[in-house]
Amino acid sequence: ELKVEQNPLFLSMQEGKNYTIYCNYSTTSDRLYWYRQDPGKSLESLFVLLSNGAVKQEGRLMASLDTKARLSTLHITAAVHDLSATYFCAVDMASSSGTYKYIFGTGTRLKVLA
Amino acid sequence: GAGVSQSPRYKVAKRGQDVALRCDPISGHVSLFWYQQALGQGPEFLTYFQNEAQLDKSGLPSDRFFAERPEGSVSTLKIQRTQQEDSAVYLCASSLGRKETQYFGPGTRLLVL
Repeated sequence: ELKVEQNPLFLSMQEGKNYTIYCNYSTTSDRLYWYRQDPGKSLESLFVLLSNGAVKQEGRLMASLDTKARLSTLHITAAVHDLSATYFCAVDMASSSGTYKYIFGTGTRLKVLA
Repeated sequence: GAGVSQSPRYKVAKRGQDVALRCDPISGHVSLFWYQQALGQGPEFLTYFQNEAQLDKSGLPSDRFFAERPEGSVSTLKIQRTQQEDSAVYLCASSLGRKETQYFGPGTRLLVL
């Protein structure tokens, strides 16, 4: 079964703190995407990770990919209120029939408290 | 440049009505995707077009759902005989290629009463 799981599902953190969101996926993939979604809005692309060991950083967010462990992390450094949103990972995974399926994770709803 | 646009932004339908949702992708984007997002959930894949060809429709939940992209640009998602469980946000995304970054539209929020 093609599955993408994120944890935690909900995260409430204080401003200035660090935290990591995890994204596990069930089968082989060569790329992984992170998106941000604000309430009532559409999805905004944050990162595309293309290979094992890939690391990308933008501001207070850093994403990494370990294809052997089928794991990606999104690390938040010194959180600020503006980072409050829902974060999704999405994985392009090969199905048993050989076609690729674009599967989104369950989402992590982040709330940064002042 | 203009991003992905969708219309209408909101649609209220009575159960049994047919609805048509429109997506205008970014000009030059070959790939177009439709997703369904239920409240509090991640987007779920519905269908994928490469130009005018519908290459994957495995996510369409029933034969009441139909999508087309006749000229390889604008796409329409049609839902016939709407049911309450069809209530969701329908998102369209386009990209330069199948594996490239997808750019999402604002979505159409469908409520079936």
